[in-house]
This record gives sequence, structure tokens and C-alpha cells, in this order.
Amino acid sequence: NAGVMQNPRHLVRRRGQEARLRCSPMKGHSHVYWYRQLPEEGLKFMVYLQKENIIDESGMPKERFSAEFPKEGPSILRIQQVVRGDSAAYFCASSPVGPDTQYFGPGTRLTVL
Amino acid sequence: DAKTTQPNSMESNEEEPVHLPCNHSTISGTDYIHWYRQLPSQGPEYVIHGLTSNVNNRMASLAIAEDRKSSTLILHRATLRDAAVYYCILLTSGTYKYIFGTGTRLKVLA
Repeated sequence: NAGVMQNPRHLVRRRGQEARLRCSPMKGHSHVYWYRQLPEEGLKFMVYLQKENIIDESGMPKERFSAEFPKEGPSILRIQQVVRGDSAAYFCASSPVGPDTQYFGPGTRLTVL
Repeated sequence: DAKTTQPNSMESNEEEPVHLPCNHSTISGTDYIHWYRQLPSQGPEYVIHGLTSNVNNRMASLAIAEDRKSSTLILHRATLRDAAVYYCILLTSGTYKYIFGTGTRLKVLA
């Protein structure tokens, strides 16, 4: 019974490059949430998606960040033209129905050089 | 959003019970109390949640005060693997944005 899977676990990008973070929810879960955690801080909500729909992106920065959850395949969090301030751990969570208890993946640690 | 207050850190000896407190004096009637923990370099792990009554599961127990303004997460026998940051989070029924504070860092002494 696999949990939430995220890849890559670690990602290094240079300033100006693009970062793509992937999240496969738990089997049977169709609701996905992305959170960001800066060093020594708690997680901050970014976006909530269902298959092919963005439900709430109120926590996403207005520029350079986008998210999708296609009909087939994982959810993708995309960061264009990364800057050093984007360095953080990005966590994905899923739930079978929404809103419901969320189960988190191991995270992707993004480092921007 | 209702807020929670937790001690920054606590210590416990291995094999002893641990009581992790959380204050939430502005809790509303539809707020569920959730507890997660985060081990180093890992994602938050669901521990337990409740609304009014005390709850037990294989990981822990949740004791909720009668006025619901505070709660306590109880680990019955702490092990070294329980060393983590523990987050107490209020989630209003029908909502989905977990608001994580800085939590309580639990240190377990061998």
C-alpha cells in the first residue's frame, strides 16, 4: 500500500532554470495539496487540485509558479526562472475526498544555486 | 483562522509516557484538532485527530479538554524513533488548508 510519492527527492537548479516537482497521490486519492517549507519554519499551503481542476491556488506566488494534476499521471508543481528564495522543501499531500485528512509525501528539497 | 500554542521543545526518557500539550483558546465548534509529526528530513506524518471526545489509535491517544480550549497528545511509551517535531493543527470542518505553526520539538533520551 504505497504512500504518497514525490520525485525527485533532491533537486539542484541554477538561478533562471526551471524546476519540475512531481507528486503521485496514494492509490484511490484524487485530491492533491502542495505545501512549501522554508528552513526552520512550518509548512505553508500553496495549492489544492483535483484531477484536471485547480480548486484553490491562493497560496501560490502570482508569478513563475504553476501546478497541474492531469487526468493521467502525477501532479506537477512547476517553478520557472528559479531564484535563491525558492530554495525550500516542497511537500505534496493527498486525500481520498476533499476536504479530509491529508497524507504527506517525503518532499522534494529544492536548492537554487 | 484559529491558532494553537505549543511549547517549543520537550524532553522525555525512553520507555516513559509523553504528554504534549496544545492550547487553542479560540477554537470554534466545527474545528477538528489534528496532530502530525515530522521526523528529520521527512514529510509530516498523520498521528491522530478528534473533535470532542478522547481518541485512541495504535500510535497515540488524544485527550481533549471538556471546554475544548486545550488538548494533549499522549505517547504511551516513548522510543527514540518518536523524536520529531509535533504539530497541533486546527482544521475547520469543510476546509483543507492546514496551518502549521512551529510545533514542539520532542527529544527522547536513551
